[in-house]
Amino acid sequence: DAMVIQNPRYQVTQFGKPVTLSCSQTLNHNVMYWYQQKSSQAPKLLFHYYDKDFNNEADTPDNFQSRRPNTSFCFLDIRSPGLGDAAMYLCATSRPWTELNTEAFFGQGTRLTVV
Amino acid sequence: AQSVTQLDSQVPVFEEAPVELRCNYSSSVSVYLFWYVQYPNQGLQLLLKYLSGSTLVKGINGFEAEFNKSQTSFHLRKPSVHISDTAEYFCAVSYHYGGSQGNLIFGKGTKLSVKP
Repeated sequence: DAMVIQNPRYQVTQFGKPVTLSCSQTLNHNVMYWYQQKSSQAPKLLFHYYDKDFNNEADTPDNFQSRRPNTSFCFLDIRSPGLGDAAMYLCATSRPWTELNTEAFFGQGTRLTVV
Repeated sequence: AQSVTQLDSQVPVFEEAPVELRCNYSSSVSVYLFWYVQYPNQGLQLLLKYLSGSTLVKGINGFEAEFNKSQTSFHLRKPSVHISDTAEYFCAVSYHYGGSQGNLIFGKGTKLSVKP
């Protein structure tokens, strides 16, 4: 039944060791988003894909990269995780944003711990 | 730039009591407004949204919200809460289409704690 699936749910990585988080969707949505949610803070958009077009938010650190090999999958790569990157990472999908389509569907998130 | 303010970080309430979670936004352009709920260690689930038309919108689980343009507010209400409503609630805005897709700008969240 799950429509946006994030793996793993919990990820522990070492300081400075590259890590990849995965998101897949069964909704066939054009748009996929990655949000970062630090403890007691608002989810913050890192970037999104509209099909294969990548859109980076201006204040997203270079340490964060993303790949979308096909419609169903999107990956978040953190090249050198720091302690400040510990957070919940949320993947979401949507159709192209119009008044008829204004719902983003979220996965359950991946909680990243950096040790 | 848009911003969303949720004035209360925590709201404790007794079961069957009414509750209001407050949200104010600032934007120089028209926006869509949303409320999402997040249960512990879960993703975000849409409760309700305001796009246009009637300013009172009804959502799932008995929640409703009222858009007030003059006060730039979108407060969430429920007349009688249940233990199962214990969760964190996020108010969010997005640009209309033609802007930055569905990029949601969230408030910091309000933790609703329902006590028996």
